[in-house]
Parts: sequence; C-alpha cells; structure tokens
Amino acid sequence: AQSVAQPEDQVNVAEGNPLTVKCTYSVSGNPYLFWYVQYPNRGLQFLLKYITGDNLVKGSYGFEAEFNKSQTSFHLKKPSALVSDSALYFCAVRDYKLSFGAGTTVTVRA
Amino acid sequence: EPEVTQTPSHQVTQMGQEVILRCVPISNHLYFYWYRQILGQKVEFLVSFYNNEISEKSEIFDDQFSVERPDGSNFTLKIRSTKLEDSAMYFCASSLSGAGGLSGEQYFGPGTRLTVT
Repeated sequence: AQSVAQPEDQVNVAEGNPLTVKCTYSVSGNPYLFWYVQYPNRGLQFLLKYITGDNLVKGSYGFEAEFNKSQTSFHLKKPSALVSDSALYFCAVRDYKLSFGAGTTVTVRA
Repeated sequence: EPEVTQTPSHQVTQMGQEVILRCVPISNHLYFYWYRQILGQKVEFLVSFYNNEISEKSEIFDDQFSVERPDGSNFTLKIRSTKLEDSAMYFCASSLSGAGGLSGEQYFGPGTRLTVT
C-alpha cells in the first residue's frame, strides 16, 4: 500500500524566514506526489505535484518541493514565509485515490 | 476560476436518518471522488466514480453509503442510516484524468460538515 508520513504536527516560523514542511513516502513503483493546503473552513487546495522530471517542482504561492528518491522524501519549501501561509498542509500520494498524510499545521508569526 | 461546490456547508441529523450530501464538480471533469475527515484525523478516501459507476471504494464505503450522478452536473453521497461515527467533514473532489492518467490533480470542494446526534 502507498503511504506518506508527515513527521511534524506543527511548524512555527517567523515571517520572512524559510519554511520547510517535511514529507516522506512509501510506494511500490514510481511515486505520484502532491501537496495540498487547507485554510480554515475551506477545502483542500492543490499546491503542486511531482510526477516525473525535475526533482525541484514549483507550485502556487511561491512554494516548491524537492523530490529525493534516495531519501524517499518530498519536502515542501518556501524561501520566505508570510503570515498568510499559516494553514494546514497535507502531503499525498496517488494511485487511483489520494492517500494523505496526517497534516502539518504551519504558523507564521509576524 | 472553476471550482467544486458543495451543499450544505453544515448538516445536522439524528442517528438513523438518511442524509444526502451534494456536490457540483468542475464541469469538464470526468472523475469524481468523496473523502471524509473525522475531526483530528487524516483525510480518508471513500469512493471514486467514473462513467456513471463506482471505480474504486474503500472499506469505509459499506452498504450504508451510495453515490449517484443524477444529472449532468450533480454528484451526491447518500448515507442511508447515519451513525454517530459518521460525523465528519465530507469532501467532494473531481479531476480531469483518473488512475489511467495518474498525473491528474484532484480539485476539492469546501466540504460539508455532518454532525450526527
């Protein structure tokens, strides 16, 4: 079975500092990896995906993620965090369905 | 920008009652999904739907659940006889491609919060 793990329940950073949200995956075959963000009282919004090609994937709102096959990781990054980035972030892996991680709550303080 | 919509935003029902949760997927999408998120837990897959039939379902999706696309726009999830443990946020999603095109990202609606009392 395919799965992802998000080892951190919470990440706290100061505005302007780099933000990293960690994700590791376990799949058989090629991974199809996604990041979603959930703001309060909103649905899950697609941020970016890795299917194949460049290991560094760029997505919405200045986010990027690095696919690392040897470490089976797909960490989400943003070079300079904003207060408005405070939200719940989910990593997911897909075959016919999305399998989500438990989520990481990001708090960016002013 | 097209988006997935869901109604109602919050549904309160008594145990044993039937509920229908409604979704309008993005108009040119072909694959439809329901997920749920029990408070404090992971988002879990329930069912996928394509070409007017269920393509995959999880062990959660038992005989109490059914899905339907009654017309060209709506996609519904019915729970026949609700239990307390059905209380959760239910998300509808749609995608242009499905498992055959694994790259297809799924677009999610805002969710329906179901409370069973």
